[in-house]
Amino acid sequence: DAGVTQSPTHLIKTRGQQVTLRCSPKSGHDTVSWYQQALGQGPQFIFQYYEEEERQRGNFPDRFSGHQFPNYSSELNVNALLLGDSALYLCASSFRSLETQYFGPGTRLLVL
Amino acid sequence: AQTVTQSQPEMSVQEAETVTLSCTYDTSESDYYLFWYKQPPSRQMILVIRQEAYKQQNATENRFSVNFQKAAKSFSLKISDSQLGDAAMYFCARNSGYALNFGKGTSLLVTP
Repeated sequence: DAGVTQSPTHLIKTRGQQVTLRCSPKSGHDTVSWYQQALGQGPQFIFQYYEEEERQRGNFPDRFSGHQFPNYSSELNVNALLLGDSALYLCASSFRSLETQYFGPGTRLLVL
Repeated sequence: AQTVTQSQPEMSVQEAETVTLSCTYDTSESDYYLFWYKQPPSRQMILVIRQEAYKQQNATENRFSVNFQKAAKSFSLKISDSQLGDAAMYFCARNSGYALNFGKGTSLLVTP
């Protein structure tokens, strides 16, 4: 049973660039949530996608956007990167929005 | 903002001993979910245990159990017969709508 997968594992970008991170949910799951984890902190909720729509959004600027595809996979896009966007980005999937969330291994983004 | 507080940045336990990690939270809701996640150095967030607030019985998963005190808004994790593989960051979380709100984590060191 495949778990949550994310790509790429690591990424280096420069300020002002744009980045796209990808996530495939665990088999049987239909909901994807994205979190940002700064070094030494707990994850912060960015948004959740269910039925290809953004269901709930955390306190993140519009530079952060996402998409969910018909196969339930998801992308996180960040525009106009800032140094402060350097973090571990975690994707989590669940069956229906309120069920337990299972996390992927994350993408480490470094902005120089 | 509804917060989750983990007051112990670091804890240490000897192999085969028992350790308890503390968590308190803030909420105005009567029905919600609480979680403990483990994040080893490999960085993948792993679900340890889940508790539904409407259930009075404390959740148990093998060597892991919780002490859920709803009135006190307390949700501690007890690890029995600690093993070297238990060494990790432990995060307490509760749902806020579809999002998970995490504490800052407790780093658990297991010594031989």
